[in-house]
Amino acid sequence: DGGITQSPKYLFRKEGQNVTLSCEQNLNHDAMYWYRQDPGQGLRLIYYSQIVNDFQKGDIAEGYSVSREKKESFPLTVTSAQKNPTAFYLCASSMSGGGDEQFFGPGTRLTVL
Amino acid sequence: GQNIDQPTEMTATEGAIVQINCTYQTSGFNGLFWYQQHAGEAPTFLSYNVLDGLEEKGRFSSFLSRSKGYSYLLLKELQMKDSASYLCAVRDRRTTDSWGKLQFGAGTQVVVTP
Repeated sequence: DGGITQSPKYLFRKEGQNVTLSCEQNLNHDAMYWYRQDPGQGLRLIYYSQIVNDFQKGDIAEGYSVSREKKESFPLTVTSAQKNPTAFYLCASSMSGGGDEQFFGPGTRLTVL
Repeated sequence: GQNIDQPTEMTATEGAIVQINCTYQTSGFNGLFWYQQHAGEAPTFLSYNVLDGLEEKGRFSSFLSRSKGYSYLLLKELQMKDSASYLCAVRDRRTTDSWGKLQFGAGTQVVVTP
């Protein structure tokens, strides 16, 4: 079955530690995205990538980093510079950037202790 | 960018109809999406409108008026499994300097009661 996977489902981290969230898709989509979701707020775009080896900052990129070395994979690193990292993180992909329906992964809930 | 407004919560009875409104203000518009999201799960695509009018898909319909900056999602014959958050998302018009990214509203929590 084609889809998007994110791991782990739940993640706990101590303050001051970097942590990497995994996102893999086998839909052969060119574009991939990372969103953050907080209670009572809409999804906010962290980073996006329209093609391999290229990515752009979204609305709230500070304290995050990404890489896009393979078409299928778009890992997100939450660094210690992110002031309030506890949130639900969603990865998505679409056939091309900026135009098509986005398909979402199941999400990773990150809690900073 | 856009400002997107939708009600925080709506309650309706099983079998009834509920209409979720979404208003937006945008400097450029290139389509509006509705997603359904159950608690702790991924959003799933429901509908897409880019031209004015009504799009019907089974029990769900979505309407768009670009001149009014307004859309609604209509859920008919409500079922308990329809209890979820419904997200309105507006896509920027794509220009040479701007990518057509999605801006999401905060979501409307629909509670279906027996």
